[in-house]
Amino acid sequence: AQKITQTQPGMFVQEKEAVTLDCTYDTSDQSYGLFWYKQPSSGEMIFLIYQGSYDEQNATEGRYSLNFQKARKSANLVISASQLGDSAMYFCAMREGGAGGTSYGKLTFGQGTILTVHP
Amino acid sequence: DGGITQSPKYLFRKEGQNVTLSCEQNLNHDAMYWYRQDPGQGLRLIYYSQIVNDFQKGDIAEGYSVSREKKESFPLTVTSAQKNPTAFYLCASSSPPRQGNTEAFFGQGTRLTVV
Repeated sequence: AQKITQTQPGMFVQEKEAVTLDCTYDTSDQSYGLFWYKQPSSGEMIFLIYQGSYDEQNATEGRYSLNFQKARKSANLVISASQLGDSAMYFCAMREGGAGGTSYGKLTFGQGTILTVHP
Repeated sequence: DGGITQSPKYLFRKEGQNVTLSCEQNLNHDAMYWYRQDPGQGLRLIYYSQIVNDFQKGDIAEGYSVSREKKESFPLTVTSAQKNPTAFYLCASSSPPRQGNTEAFFGQGTRLTVV
């Protein structure tokens, strides 16, 4: 079964508008971490935002925010005020922790969503 | 500057050859990971290591082997048993979860092509 599901293969957004990229996850662990990464055409992986399973507040980093709905097991990325440079592939990832969250565990990725920002 | 270095950037392999991809980090991270990425696809976990001299298979370990003799180094060997090795390979490392934000840092990747 898929651990991380990104159901949107591609998304389009107008410059300066907001966009939401969907991510759902599946785990039986109580302690886990959720990540979003950006991958431009150059191939590098750029870390955007992190949400811990015990964090009560939704994570925010500049124009990026993570809409964390634990009961629904979703961790959607919201990009506000889109810029042309935001065009890239976006990956959701999950690190499953061991007891007490001290284990590194596996870090698994979704299939990604290609975001295209139109001027 | 701290970071992860993968080499080479491009690698060509003949059918039936083993090749080794290098991954070195100077971030003092305990955990290291190898991923494979096919065009337009997500990252699939090949192997990961949480500590020196220990590693675990990921989701697609067949045809690959690793070693972790030093904290800084986690080389990946693509063996002749890997039937379709042409892909982009990414190495990553991360710090323990108890130290707060634990994002994985990635190298620049190695593009392997079978000729």
